[in-house]
Amino acid sequence: GDSVTQMEGPVTLSEEAFLTINCTYTATGYPSLFWYVQYPGEGLQLLLKATKADDKGSNKGFEATYRKETTSFHLEKGSVQVSDSAVYFCALSGSAGGTSYGKLTFGQGTILTVHP
Amino acid sequence: GAVVSQHPSRVICKSGTSVKIECRSLDFQATTMFWYRQFPKKSLMLMATSNEGSKATYEQGVEKDKFLINHASLTLSTLTVTSAHPEDSSFYICSASANTQYFGPGTRLTVL
Repeated sequence: GDSVTQMEGPVTLSEEAFLTINCTYTATGYPSLFWYVQYPGEGLQLLLKATKADDKGSNKGFEATYRKETTSFHLEKGSVQVSDSAVYFCALSGSAGGTSYGKLTFGQGTILTVHP
Repeated sequence: GAVVSQHPSRVICKSGTSVKIECRSLDFQATTMFWYRQFPKKSLMLMATSNEGSKATYEQGVEKDKFLINHASLTLSTLTVTSAHPEDSSFYICSASANTQYFGPGTRLTVL
């Protein structure tokens, strides 16, 4: 079945540091890939997504590129802020026509803490 | 943007009682809603897919008689945890789908 593996956290950075959170996946066909963010006390919010190979999703300074050859969707940000402290989830949704289409499979989540 | 609400946000109940959690899409219609369970420091696990006007589809290992799901309208789905036990204590999250899944803020259930 589909699966998503994220780098284990927690990740602790100083403000303005570079961020990478690794994410790899296993799925048949051509899944869509997502990064969700969960701020303290809030629900999950879609951060960015990519629906086909080589697509780059971007939002709020975060980027991730859909790499089919390495089955990866690593999240990056050039300069993190204290306000980026949250839990980040990588997820995939199965390709159209498949049994997992429309359903999200999540990675285990990575806690990011950014210090001033 | 699309907003999904959940009610209640927290609930504490005694073992053996039933608890109902509501999930509403406030500004859009959702033919499909999903229910997830999130354990501490763990990922979200999909419990079931709820389609308006039809029976929910449960994931393997989820007891459908224990976790009753009703999707009565395009803006409301409910999850009822029947005869709750302490092991049912968890964080339950719903999402409503309109091409993209929009998530509710979650409900913290504690069973004493």
